Amino acid sequence: GDSVTQMEGPVTLSEEAFLTINCTYTATGYPSLFWYVQYPGEGLQLLLKATKADDKGSNKGFEATYRKETTSFHLEKGSVQVSDSAVYFCALDRDDKIIFGKGTRLHILP
Amino acid sequence: GAGVSQSPSNKVTEKGKDVELRCDPISGHTALYWYRQSLGQGLEFLIYFQGNSAPDKSGLPSDRFSAERTGGSVSTLTIQRTQQEDSAVYLCASSILAGGRYEQYFGPGTRLTVT
Repeated sequence: GDSVTQMEGPVTLSEEAFLTINCTYTATGYPSLFWYVQYPGEGLQLLLKATKADDKGSNKGFEATYRKETTSFHLEKGSVQVSDSAVYFCALDRDDKIIFGKGTRLHILP
Repeated sequence: GAGVSQSPSNKVTEKGKDVELRCDPISGHTALYWYRQSLGQGLEFLIYFQGNSAPDKSGLPSDRFSAERTGGSVSTLTIQRTQQEDSAVYLCASSILAGGRYEQYFGPGTRLTVT
């Protein structure tokens, strides 16, 4: 069945470092792809999405490009901040459901 | 406007007891989803409702789990004869319509602990 695999955390970086969180997926057809974020003490919220191959989703300085050839949707940010510390979930949609990866916890040190 | 609300925020119950978890979706949202977030397991889809259509129950882990949505609004997730492995955070989400192109808005979750 469809699935999402993302790098295991926790990932610890210093402020202003470059961030990559890898995500690959297995799916039939061409699902929409998402990154959701869960900040400490808050609910899960959509960070960005891409609905077709080569689309780039972006928000709050984060970007991810839908790569059909490598079935990937890696999350990147050029300069992270302490406030980016959170758990990040890669996800895809299938039959009106969202299938999530296991999440990657990100710690940003000042 | 109010977001998705869930109650209770925390629930501790003894093994074997039944529990009910409640979700109030955003007004006007026709799709409602339940997920389970277990340590190290990410978010696991349980069930979703879309309008008056029959719910998609394909993610429910056993027949001890059931959910209903009354009047197309409030939903209740019921777990009968709880087991320790049911301990998790149960998340509810709603969207205008079902489908990936419609953003899902999540509630804060109910943390269930089965002792």
